[in-house]
Amino acid sequence: TQLLEQSPQFLSIQEGENLTVYCNSSSVFSSLQWYRQEPGEGPVLLVTVVTGGEVKKLKRLTFQFGDARKDSSLHITAAQPGDTGLYLCAGELGNFNKFYFGSGTKLNVKP
Amino acid sequence: EPEVTQTPSHQVTQMGQEVILRCVPISNHLYFYWYRQILGQKVEFLVSFYNNEISEKSEIFDDQFSVERPDGSNFTLKIRSTKLEDSAMYFCASSALGGNEQFFGPGTRLTVL
Repeated sequence: TQLLEQSPQFLSIQEGENLTVYCNSSSVFSSLQWYRQEPGEGPVLLVTVVTGGEVKKLKRLTFQFGDARKDSSLHITAAQPGDTGLYLCAGELGNFNKFYFGSGTKLNVKP
Repeated sequence: EPEVTQTPSHQVTQMGQEVILRCVPISNHLYFYWYRQILGQKVEFLVSFYNNEISEKSEIFDDQFSVERPDGSNFTLKIRSTKLEDSAMYFCASSALGGNEQFFGPGTRLTVL
């Protein structure tokens, strides 16, 4: 059973297109993080969201935490080949210092 | 920029042997974590550690696993009797506060033969 469902699993788009990646759960999270992971390396934190309805922007990346704190989305505007990678969401249940990762979305941006 | 470091980068061991994976968290961080990622699968939480004791652990973290902070800088994961299915990347992470911003190390690739 997946606590966090990420979709889509794979996404291949052309440079300049917009895209959205989703992270959904039936559980309520106290915080949710988005990471990017390159092959053979550790995840690199992009953002943490903690408040329901929160929106954070990081250059061309927009992160949203659902009002009920059960889901989140990552929107990339005008994708570039440098955005290619594996994007992971991870949620913290309660304040128990226990984290669950989604399976990831593998993004490929073609020049 | 401070970073989490892990050694070794690759460890090969025989089934049944003990291994110790080492991590040096970021120096002013208080929370430490171990995760594993089997090839092609998702990152899985193993254990969190705070104030010199385990804070939370997952179902994966059974009696063959243990963690220790033997001194002020190292954080180790010991696997007592390795099994083939322990082959994975093991990531250490640390955070200053409880979990909101975890910084991951580069990982140790463990191969059990």
